[in-house]
This record gives sequence, C-alpha cells and structure tokens, in this order.
Amino acid sequence: DIQMTQSPSTLSASIGDRVTVTCRASQSISNWLAWYQQKPGKAPNLLIYKASTLESGVPSRFSGSGSGTEFTLTISSLQPDDFATYYCQQYTIYPWTFGQGTKVEMK
Amino acid sequence: QLQLQESGPGLVKPSQTLSLTCTVSGGSITSGGYTWNWIRQTPKKGLEWIGNIYQSGNTNYNPSLKSRVTISIDRSKNQFSLKLRPVTAADTAVYYCSTWPVSYWGQGTLVTVSS
Repeated sequence: DIQMTQSPSTLSASIGDRVTVTCRASQSISNWLAWYQQKPGKAPNLLIYKASTLESGVPSRFSGSGSGTEFTLTISSLQPDDFATYYCQQYTIYPWTFGQGTKVEMK
Repeated sequence: QLQLQESGPGLVKPSQTLSLTCTVSGGSITSGGYTWNWIRQTPKKGLEWIGNIYQSGNTNYNPSLKSRVTISIDRSKNQFSLKLRPVTAADTAVYYCSTWPVSYWGQGTLVTVSS
C-alpha cells in the first residue's frame, strides 16, 4: 500500500494566517492526490483534486501544489470556517489511502 | 446533484455480518463514470477505503479487508451495498458511502460491534 504521511498533525493558527499542510507519499503518485476538509460529525468535503485543481465552489484561498511524492495544501488567509481537519488521499493505485489528518485549531 | 444515504443496523454482534446499504437519489447509479465507494473512519486508524464498485459490477477491495468484504450493486433500487463478515470490535467505525471522481458522500453511519 502507498503510505500517506501528513505534517503537522496539529497546527495552531490565527485568523488571517497563511497555513500550509504537507503530505508525503511513500512512492510516486504523479498528481493523483486529493485534499479534503472535515468538520466534527460531518463527512469529508473535497477541496482539491489532481493535486492542484480546485473543486467547484471551494474558496480561492485554498490551493494545492506538488507532484510525485510531496504535496502541499495552502490556505492563503485563514478564515473562521476553516478550523477543521484536513486529509490528503491518493487515488492512483488501489487501495486508495489517506493521510492521518492535520487538525487546524485556533491559536 | 446526487445525494447518498447510508442505512443499516447500528449494532452488530461479534462474528456476525455487517450489512449496509447506500441509497442514491438525484441521479441513476447506472450513470457512467462513477465509482461507488465505501470508506470507514475510526479515531485510531482514521479514514480507510474499503472498496468500490463500478456500475458494470466490477469491484476493487482493500487487501486488508478483501477476505471479508463484498460490495454489490442493485440497479433496480438505485443502491449499492456493503457486507463485512465476520466482524470484530475493530470494525466499529463510522461508515460512509461516496462517489468518485465527482465527490459525493453520505452523512455516515456509526456501526458498533459489541455483544
């Protein structure tokens, strides 16, 4: 299986901060990577696919980059609605696998 | 816009079968291009992809669960289903159905394995 490792596990930030989450794959996944946001008690919500393509309706403050084994999710200016847990997922090879999550909390 | 809804027992006894159904509304399960997925989530292991099925009936399973999992599709009812057997306490999780590459998710259903 392809292992997906996110860092950090928890990130403390303030409104307006630029926030970056990193996801590393144990082998190359080209750009077959998705990012999700999840709030407590809710299903994950797709933010980005193909590493950098913004899902329809997702605010432009979210962006993704990377290819191969290293990827980043950036929130350019953190908003109150962005406090949540973020997951990366590779979908190039079965079984699809997820990172362990990065919780963005209020500083 | 598709809507997905999981249904099934919230409590299953150890060694028995976990059976869940995902009902699709707002579109046909026979629409081409989707995979119909089951994913579960636990505090300890996080998000775990269980497997998926195409409208053709072709399936893919997570090798860690493959010997215990069956995913099937019922085109007449616009549903797809998950069976996991035999279950243990480690199968206690929130189970989601979802689609890909257009991403729709059900709200999730908590299944507890306990006697």
